[in-house]
Parts: sequence; structure tokens; C-alpha cells
Amino acid sequence: GAGVSQSPSNKVTEKGKDVELRCDPISGHTALYWYRQSLGQGLEFLIYFQGNSAPDKSGLPSDRFSAERTGGSVSTLTIQRTQQEDSAVYLCASSPSWAQYFGPGTRLTVL
Amino acid sequence: GESVGLHLPTLSVQEGDNSIINCAYSNSASDYFIWYKQESGKGPQFIIDIRSNMDKRQGQRVTVLLNKTVKHLSLQIAATQPGDSAVYFCAEPLGGKLIFGQGTELSVKP
Repeated sequence: GAGVSQSPSNKVTEKGKDVELRCDPISGHTALYWYRQSLGQGLEFLIYFQGNSAPDKSGLPSDRFSAERTGGSVSTLTIQRTQQEDSAVYLCASSPSWAQYFGPGTRLTVL
Repeated sequence: GESVGLHLPTLSVQEGDNSIINCAYSNSASDYFIWYKQESGKGPQFIIDIRSNMDKRQGQRVTVLLNKTVKHLSLQIAATQPGDSAVYFCAEPLGGKLIFGQGTELSVKP
């Protein structure tokens, strides 16, 4: 069956530009998560959506980062005024309960 | 604060041998744990999970052991194959989200 999909798979941008990363979760999964992973590092939690509840934004590193989830399905992570330290793989996961199922990630490179 | 951590960052094993990847956790109230496998260039993939009312759970070539007394869990991979080469993470739910350990990189030598 269809898993979590993310787009684009790779994004190269210039410092100061805004980027939007998209996540299509598995149909029916009520929870959606965004993580960031730097090269050779573990997963850094960014934000978590659960149903219609207010999202848990406790992991967002700065106010340049925001995310929304429309209609309880597709989510978009937006990074404004990108910085070089934002370069990483951004992973999305969806979950029906506790086990999370990850997408392939978007590799963001900020020049 | 609460954390989930791994004992070793890297593990190298011979093809065909068994692999054991360890994870320590600090929250004694934790009741659910998950192991993920992440291959290079891919997102983490769910391998197996275990609830705290169990000491052991087996999957296909993988076994997870949970020792609540010392707050330790391990992932055992039988007859390790080159395709098992990846980074393995343990994870624990906390406050509605999963907290991931640092990860152990498993390398399989032919």
C-alpha cells in the first residue's frame, strides 16, 4: 500500500529564501510528525499534529519555522529566510497510534 | 530529563553472525518501545515494538528483549546479512511524541 510521501526529494535554495516542504501521510493516520536529521545525527523532533488538537510546536527551532496540516491530511513545513544551518534532511512521519511510519525525507541544502 | 540512549555508536559484525544492539532508557514509567532501522538515504523503517508487559518479542530474524529492572532493551538480529547494514534507533513515547535514541550504526562484513 501507499506509504508516507514527501516532496520534493531534494531542494537546493539560497540563503534568505523561503522553502516549503510537503508531506502526504498514510490515509487514516491521525497523527503527523516532522523531524529534522543532520548528517550522521539522530532525529530532532520539530512539530506534531494529532487530529484536530492544537499542534505541539515545542521542537521548532525558531519562529522562521512553521507548519500546517490541512484537512487533517497533507502537511506543509515552511522555513522562512533560510540559513545554512537549516541544511538537513526533513522527515515526516504519520501514525495511527504510537508506531510512526516515515517518509523518505526531503534533503534541504541552503547555499 | 528523560532520555533514551544507546550504549555504542557503531557495531561491526561478520556476515552470518548474530548482532546485538543495546539501548538504555531512564523513564521507569515507559511502557512501550520501538526499534527503527534507517538505511542510508532513506527514512527510518519500523522494525519491531514491545510493550512493558512483555520481556521478549520475536519477529522475523529479530528479537527485542526488555529488562525493566535495569531499564535496558536490546535488539538481536540473527544471521546478520549485508542488507542489515544501517543505523538502528530505539524510540520511546513521551508526551505524545517519540523520543529517539542517538542511533547505532551496524556494519556487516562479508
